Amino acid sequence: DAGVIQSPRHEVTEMGQEVTLRCKPISGHNSLFWYRQTMMRGLELLIYFNNNVPIDDSGMPEDRFSAKMPNASFSTLKIQPSEPRDSAVYFCASSSFRTSGVDTQYFGPGTRLTVL
Amino acid sequence: EDQVTQSPEALRLQEGESSSLNCSYTVSGLRGLFWYRQDPGKGPEFLFTLYSAGEEKEKERLKATLTKKESFLHITAPKPEDSATYLCAVQAGQAGTALIFGKGTTLSVSS
Repeated sequence: DAGVIQSPRHEVTEMGQEVTLRCKPISGHNSLFWYRQTMMRGLELLIYFNNNVPIDDSGMPEDRFSAKMPNASFSTLKIQPSEPRDSAVYFCASSSFRTSGVDTQYFGPGTRLTVL
Repeated sequence: EDQVTQSPEALRLQEGESSSLNCSYTVSGLRGLFWYRQDPGKGPEFLFTLYSAGEEKEKERLKATLTKKESFLHITAPKPEDSATYLCAVQAGQAGTALIFGKGTTLSVSS
């Protein structure tokens, strides 16, 4: 099992540029989550999808952030335009959604974003 | 508002010195409480899920317990390789929902 795959692992960009982060969930999982981690705020949810449908995007900080999941094996998180305060580590996680019980989320290695 | 608080923020132990990490939570309709381990520069690694008060789970030197208000991660005779940040998270409401994380406890074990 390859686990959750994220790319790029590191991204350095200048303020105002567009940034696209990518995620491939674990095969067979149908829930996908984007989290952001900072020293000040810890891990916080940005948005999540069930069966490719966005369910809760209340954590997306501004309209500059957008996320898509065109199919079960791929998702993107886009920031346009980027700002220095967007600098953080962005994690993707996936789980196997079930109507009963609890579904464990497995995390990718993260993308460290630095906006200069 | 659903909330997770972990204490202490940082813990330094000598090798072999047992201790406990605390995770207190307030949540409506707890579905599960999760413990993760995070090493520097890596993503959180799943350790345990606890579903109901009174439940306990063990893995090597780690044991997690759950009450109606808090969870403990007990570390018995820790080794330097146990040094990491330990994150607690809760899932509430319906299945398939996001986790609410505490800010973590950073554990350092010296030999």
